[in-house]
Amino acid sequence: AQSVTQLGSHVSVSEGALVLLRCNYSSSVPPYLFWYVQYPNQGLQLLLKYTSAATLVKGINGFEAEFKKSETSFHLTKPSAHMSDAAEYFCAVSPSGGSYIPTFGRGTSLIVHP
Amino acid sequence: NAGVTQTPKFRVLKTGQSMTLLCAQDMNHEYMYWYRQDPGMGLRLIHYSVGEGTTAKGEVPDGYNVSRLKKQNFLLGLESAAPSQTSVYFCAIKRLAGGSRGIDEQFFGPGTRLTVL
Repeated sequence: AQSVTQLGSHVSVSEGALVLLRCNYSSSVPPYLFWYVQYPNQGLQLLLKYTSAATLVKGINGFEAEFKKSETSFHLTKPSAHMSDAAEYFCAVSPSGGSYIPTFGRGTSLIVHP
Repeated sequence: NAGVTQTPKFRVLKTGQSMTLLCAQDMNHEYMYWYRQDPGMGLRLIHYSVGEGTTAKGEVPDGYNVSRLKKQNFLLGLESAAPSQTSVYFCAIKRLAGGSRGIDEQFFGPGTRLTVL
């Protein structure tokens, strides 16, 4: 069984400020973890993924996430927010073996103020 | 979203009407998925398919049927639409990224926005 919890349905930051979007997971087997971004009226696109090769994962658009097994977390960060980062962000978990059926979190809407 | 197309992009139905959503991929992938997205609920899996001729239920399958007669197409059917099925529907495929050392990841279509009155 697997599940994802995204803390905070909305996160508001000022342009240039640190972005921190939280994701905690539970999984009965070693997981693969993903962050997706969804811009208004678009589908989801992959930001980054954790594959067990490295705990700090760098993605597109300056985002990165750190896998912390002891905390069962995979928080997404960006040092300096840009207006174009405003979007919905989804964390997802998938078991590293068996059928590939990811489970998604409920999403966090990132609001960036000028 | 090149490679995964969804038809139609928008649709308005009356309660009790039926319709079929089409997802088509041109990349010969085995796994295909149908999700629905609702505000505050994230993406919930309706049905999925691991290959031509096979389908399986996901988290919220009630009220929907699917078929995968051809590998390239995954159809989602609503036999008798209800207002609770008003949602945005996304199709996805599984692809292997990063070559031989890569892992699976999902690639999504652009979505179908369905309103049931």
